[in-house]
Amino acid sequence: DAGVTQSPTHLIKTRGQQVTLRCSPKSGHDTVSWYQQALGQGPQFIFQYYEEEERQRGNFPDRFSGHQFPNYSSELNVNALLLGDSALYLCASSLGGPLAKNIQYFGAGTRLSVL
Amino acid sequence: AQTVTQSQPEMSVQEAETVTLSCTYDTSESDYYLFWYKQPPSRQMILVIRQEAYKQQNATENRFSVNFQKAAKSFSLKISDSQLGDAAMYFCAYRSATGTASKLTFGTGTRLQVTL
Repeated sequence: DAGVTQSPTHLIKTRGQQVTLRCSPKSGHDTVSWYQQALGQGPQFIFQYYEEEERQRGNFPDRFSGHQFPNYSSELNVNALLLGDSALYLCASSLGGPLAKNIQYFGAGTRLSVL
Repeated sequence: AQTVTQSQPEMSVQEAETVTLSCTYDTSESDYYLFWYKQPPSRQMILVIRQEAYKQQNATENRFSVNFQKAAKSFSLKISDSQLGDAAMYFCAYRSATGTASKLTFGTGTRLQVTL
């Protein structure tokens, strides 16, 4: 049973560029959440997708957007990259949407470096 | 808004000994969940233990147990018989059990070193 998989594992971009990160949820899961983890910090919630719609959003600017596909996989897009966007981006999957009580399972993350 | 505080940036324990990691949180809600996640160098967050706020009994998972003090808003993690594989960052996290706020709110983490 495959867990949460994220690609790529590492990414280097320059300021002003755009980036897309990908996440495949754990088998059977239908909800995907994205978190940003800056160096030395705990993860910060970006947004959550369920039924192909953004259901919840944290305090992140509109430069951060996402998408969920019919197979429940998800993408995180960041436009006009800033140096401060350098971080580990974690994807977590769960079952049942925002109202469900189920545990979130995490992937190993994508390390984004903005130069 | 809920906040989670971990006041110990680093802790060290000898192999086979016991260590306790501290966590406090602030919330006005009465129904919520608390978690401890482990993040080894591989970066993947692994759930260690979960506590439901309406349950008075402290959760346990093998060598891991919590001391949940709801009135004090305290949620500490005790690791017994520490092993080298326990070395990692440990994050305390909060999740509301009401409404649609299923996001996790994390503390800043405690780095645990395990020595021989």
